[in-house]
Amino acid sequence: AQKITQTQPGMFVQEKEAVTLDCTYDTSDPSYGLFWYKQPSSGEMIFLIYQGSYDQQNATEGRYSLNFQKARKSANLVISASQLGDSAMYFCAMRSPNFGNEKLTFGTGTRLTIIP
Amino acid sequence: ETGVTQTPRHLVMGMTNKKSLKCEQHLGHNAMYWYKQSAKKPLELMFVYSLEERVENNSVPSRFSPECPNSSHLFLHLHTLQPEDSALYLCASSHPGTGGKAFFGQGTRLTVV
Repeated sequence: AQKITQTQPGMFVQEKEAVTLDCTYDTSDPSYGLFWYKQPSSGEMIFLIYQGSYDQQNATEGRYSLNFQKARKSANLVISASQLGDSAMYFCAMRSPNFGNEKLTFGTGTRLTIIP
Repeated sequence: ETGVTQTPRHLVMGMTNKKSLKCEQHLGHNAMYWYKQSAKKPLELMFVYSLEERVENNSVPSRFSPECPNSSHLFLHLHTLQPEDSALYLCASSHPGTGGKAFFGQGTRLTVV
């Protein structure tokens, strides 16, 4: 069975500082994908970044980077130069390929609050 | 705007009512999903449709009935719900070409009274 663990229920970070959101995972599949989603108060889940299990380099997307440590089974999200608009819930998720469709297993999320 | 639209955004219903949630995507995706998001719990996958065929039902009570009439539309029919069914219901779609990335709608906030 797959499992995603996010141990930080909430974080407060000063504006313009970098922030790291933790995520560890467990799976027996050799092929998997890891995702981070942002959920503002409006409810929509917004895709941020993706890391494939066979990718050699850490993924980056603008201010977002994923610190992928395969041996430790961790996939932490790093947000550089945080902004007030970054305040939201952040979810780590893992994909398991299954007959052409790909369901996601989510963690419990981290509520990030950026302080002016 | 992800291209996945859910209606209604908010719904209040009594336990004896029948209502339906609607999800629509015109992204050309061939898989659609219903997730339930309750307070302080991970998102729970409810149903998966691939090429309009239901391929997964995660032990969801029969008071939730999904319908996928075509690849662009997904419904969740609700009847005789319980107060503990109150949650945010999220629809998502994906396609093998998206690398597994799911596109989510804004959700329907359901309150059962």
